Amino acid sequence: AQSVTQPDIHITVSEGASLELRCNYSYGATPYLFWYVQSPGQGLQLLLKYFSGDTLVQGIKGFEAEFKRSQSSFNLRKPSVHWSDAAEYFCAVGYYSGNTPLVFGKGTRLSVIA
Amino acid sequence: DTGVSQDPRHKITKRGQNVTFRCDPISEHNRLYWYRQTLGQGPEFLTYFQNEAQLEKSRLLSDRFSAERPKGSFSTLEIQRTEQGDSAMYLCASSKNRVSYEKLFFGSGTQLSVL
Repeated sequence: AQSVTQPDIHITVSEGASLELRCNYSYGATPYLFWYVQSPGQGLQLLLKYFSGDTLVQGIKGFEAEFKRSQSSFNLRKPSVHWSDAAEYFCAVGYYSGNTPLVFGKGTRLSVIA
Repeated sequence: DTGVSQDPRHKITKRGQNVTFRCDPISEHNRLYWYRQTLGQGPEFLTYFQNEAQLEKSRLLSDRFSAERPKGSFSTLEIQRTEQGDSAMYLCASSKNRVSYEKLFFGSGTQLSVL
């Protein structure tokens, strides 16, 4: 069965610093990979997704992620963090067919300090 | 496109009571998912519908849980004889495309607190 691991439960970065959130997946086939963000009391908002093609994908709010098949990773990056980026970030994996539900990691909580 | 709507936003109940949540998907979305999210965890799949047919249920969905989507539009999730362990955020999501992840939209969730 597929699974997603987000090794970092909580990360604190200074505003303006760069950010990298880690995600590793376990999956037998080519995965569909996603990053979602959740602000307190809110639903999930899609930041970006990878289906195929270019392994570096761009998303909203200045985020990008790189798919590395050899490392089974899909890390999220942002070159300069803003205070409004403080939130919970979830990595998720799905099947090509779309007939099975997304499997989410446990999330990484991002705190931003001045 | 008004988004996925969930009602109520918050529900406080006493242990042993029954609760029902409602999800209104985006119009014409044929797939509807229910997820549960506990504190410090990612969303966990509960069940999903293709139109009115319930196609898959997670083992997390005990016999106290039941979900319906009677006309392929809105869906309800009922929990009978609630337990404190049921306290969680219940998220609904909907999509239209066959490869349903491409445009999957989440609602803001119903936060359940069982006292």
